[in-house]
Amino acid sequence: AAGVIQSPRHLIKEKRETATLKCYPIPRHDTVYWYQQGPGQDPQFLISFYEKMQSDKGSIPDRFSAQQFSDYHSELNMSSLELGDSALYFCASSPGTRGTEAFFGQGTRLTVV
Amino acid sequence: AQSVAQPEDQVNVAEGNPLTVKCTYSVSGNPYLFWYVQYPNRGLQFLLKYITGDNLVKGSYGFEAEFNKSQTSFHLKKPSALVSDSALYFCAVRDSTDSWGKLQFGAGTQVVVTP
Repeated sequence: AAGVIQSPRHLIKEKRETATLKCYPIPRHDTVYWYQQGPGQDPQFLISFYEKMQSDKGSIPDRFSAQQFSDYHSELNMSSLELGDSALYFCASSPGTRGTEAFFGQGTRLTVV
Repeated sequence: AQSVAQPEDQVNVAEGNPLTVKCTYSVSGNPYLFWYVQYPNRGLQFLLKYITGDNLVKGSYGFEAEFNKSQTSFHLKKPSALVSDSALYFCAVRDSTDSWGKLQFGAGTQVVVTP
């Protein structure tokens, strides 16, 4: 069965650079969620989109932005990167109000040096 | 606001013995509870959920969990642990008013199963 696809799997950036993470949800899933998991930490909810509109917002820094496109894929844009942004970034998807759990991708490991 | 507590950082168990991973929660409305497992450098894999109905929930790979409303707990259990069950386990809660994927995770419990 198709799963949530995230790209790239690994990314190394320098401080103050920008990064773009991509997420392709499971087919027919219209809701996407972004999470950040720091080293040794639990995943923290960042932001979510339903039908291309932001549906919820968590602890997402102002330096980060995200959007969902017409094909339901989503991109997380991160600017002015800081060392503390180094983390595993997860995307999850769900079929809007028809599902009862979110399915997570493998994550993108971002390292800021 | 919701919160989740996993009181044990690590659980050690011998292969073949019962495994229990503890979780307690706090929500303002009705709780929707989940267990996810994470292997090293991998994503979160869904194990099971409690939405409503029977308090004993059966999930993937022989895992089950019991919802206890009076104790606000949702402990994960497996009757006979395998070495391959060694991983990081997260309990998560979602308030009934939130969207399905907006989860509050616990700190995680590392399970180590020894041969």
